[in-house]
Amino acid sequence: RKEVEQDPGPFNVPEGATVAFNCTYSNSASQSFFWYRQDCRKEPKLLMSVYSSGNEDGRFTAQLNRASQYISLLIRDSKLSDSATYLCVVNPGFKTIFGAGTRLFVKA
Amino acid sequence: ETGVTQSPTHLIKTRGQQVTLRCSSQSGHNTVSWYQQALGQGPQFIFQYYREEENGRGNFPPRFSGLQFPNYSSELNVNALELDDSALYLCASSVGLADGDEQFFGPGTRLTVL
Repeated sequence: RKEVEQDPGPFNVPEGATVAFNCTYSNSASQSFFWYRQDCRKEPKLLMSVYSSGNEDGRFTAQLNRASQYISLLIRDSKLSDSATYLCVVNPGFKTIFGAGTRLFVKA
Repeated sequence: ETGVTQSPTHLIKTRGQQVTLRCSSQSGHNTVSWYQQALGQGPQFIFQYYREEENGRGNFPPRFSGLQFPNYSSELNVNALELDDSALYLCASSVGLADGDEQFFGPGTRLTVL
């Protein structure tokens, strides 16, 4: 079993759609969780940290369920510029584990 | 931009050769991590350095080694290159060792092994 698993994708959605990404992790000792965004042939960039209480940043909402070892990212009102790969990231201490990423294509 | 730079941008080597990749972190960032990203995969953690000492290592063989220098620069060395080493190599710097510290990535070095 992979340490971090994400929806394989790709997701193809029209502009304005709501899309949700799911991620599960295997190490119950993990303390920090993130979503990163990676554009084609570019470096990953932090989208948002994920907290147990859930957090929201504009159109983006992230949630963490420690009991189920599950992380989600919700994007509302999708824009063309949201097209990218979304990486789920877990830090169980002394190393950072990335999921394989989920590719999102937003179409006009 | 993140302020993290890497060199070279692209590199082509042959099997068995050795390669050194370089990274310059943001000023004040004491931690640098190196990742290998194969096509279609997420970045895989190679190792992390904090104040010039190795602080953690992923599942990579000893032929992957590193150095961190006091001037916020670092190196990734790979000996006896194999075809499977072809990938994008990313470095990321952060302020300290806290799990929640944001990592700032460089643009990467794309290594091709023939």
